[in-house]
Amino acid sequence: GENVEQHPSTLSVQEGDSAVIKCTYSDSASNYFPWYKQELGKRPQLIIDIRSNVGEKKDQRIAVTLNKTAKHFSLHITETQPEDSAVYFCAASRKDAGNMLTFGGGTRLMVKP
Amino acid sequence: SQTIHQWPATLVQPVGSPLSLECTVEGTSNPNLYWYRQAAGRGLQLLFYSVGIGQISSEVPQNLSASRPQDRQFILSSKKLLLSDSGFYLCAWGAPLLNEQFFGPGTRLTVL
Repeated sequence: GENVEQHPSTLSVQEGDSAVIKCTYSDSASNYFPWYKQELGKRPQLIIDIRSNVGEKKDQRIAVTLNKTAKHFSLHITETQPEDSAVYFCAASRKDAGNMLTFGGGTRLMVKP
Repeated sequence: SQTIHQWPATLVQPVGSPLSLECTVEGTSNPNLYWYRQAAGRGLQLLFYSVGIGQISSEVPQNLSASRPQDRQFILSSKKLLLSDSGFYLCAWGAPLLNEQFFGPGTRLTVL
């Protein structure tokens, strides 16, 4: 089955700096890679995703890159703000029965004002 | 638009007691439905998923079970709770032809 590794487990940055979170996956058939943001005590919220036919996607201050050959993808947050502080999860799935997501272990991002 | 509900929001149960958590989705038909568990400070573990009424697939063998009695209703049950069942239980839905999954508000379960 699919295995997703996520690094780092914790990340502390100064407000205004950039943050990068990296994930690797094992199943070359995976073709969908979402990122979720989970604030304390809340549900995970889908913030951006990328499909295997695209190498990069951007939405305002967040961007995701995908390298299918190396089987890794990354989340980039620029000009970080205190409200970006949360736990971020990457995931991978392939389009088959159930469209199941396999999640990484999560990254706790702390943005210091 | 689609909405997903879970109840109860919080639950405190003694060891050995039964459990029933409910999840319902509005605004869509024939969704894929999922149950996840998140232990404190940990990641998301897929427990069950369903692609249709009465169709349940289990990802992790344990003392939990799931049922889908109606198209947009997904229930998580246990006959006897263990201490290790404590956690944040999240239901999610996805459209069958799309990969995206959207989470419900969750149920925080504490087993004492």
